[in-house]
Amino acid sequence: QVQLVQSGAEVTEPGASVKVSCAASGYAFTDYYIHWVRQSPGLGLEWMGIINPSRTTTVYAQRFQGRVTMTRDTSTSTVYMELTDLRSDDTATYLCARESAGLTARPSTNHFDYWGQGTLLTVSS
Amino acid sequence: DIQMTQSPSTLSASIGDRVTITCRASQSINKWLAWYQQKPGKAPKVLIYKASSLESGVPSRFSGSGSGTEFTLTISSLQADDFATYYCQQYNNYWTFGQGTKVEIK
Repeated sequence: QVQLVQSGAEVTEPGASVKVSCAASGYAFTDYYIHWVRQSPGLGLEWMGIINPSRTTTVYAQRFQGRVTMTRDTSTSTVYMELTDLRSDDTATYLCARESAGLTARPSTNHFDYWGQGTLLTVSS
Repeated sequence: DIQMTQSPSTLSASIGDRVTITCRASQSINKWLAWYQQKPGKAPKVLIYKASSLESGVPSRFSGSGSGTEFTLTISSLQADDFATYYCQQYNNYWTFGQGTKVEIK
């Protein structure tokens, strides 16, 4: 069965960086896009960006441009999301999600069919 | 950016009630809309995609309708397991979520 398993909770200070992992299993890793979404009480669900695990191409939401980097390791079927220059308002749960339909569906875009369990990031001095 | 606005923000209902949640897009998104259910401490779960297609395994009491800028999610007879927060998501132009509708016990 399809599973996305994320790394554990993180506590860090303002100005630091964090790298969250999302390990995929149960399907062909390079056949599906992976997205990152963050969830906070104040802003709800925010789309952060997308990575094509086959070609490592990425698209980031404008508000995260310059601070977020998404990468992948095909040997472990894992996607990573690094967020730098952390602020207190980056405190949130970060979720990875698989886009349904697969890479061959482009140019059409699709909803998300599987999600990771979420990683709570706390940024505090 | 396409903005998604859900109403109401909170909805109080009883078991067996018919429940309707509305989602409006700031511009036309054709039928590229999904609905998710989220329970505390869990990831969202897709219920409806392409505005009205029921995800496999989702009970038939859930239905979706609409196109363009106005969409609705209907639960025909609310069950105990349905008390949760519901989000709409557009995927016509990148991906954007509504702010959520919490369905609570009346």
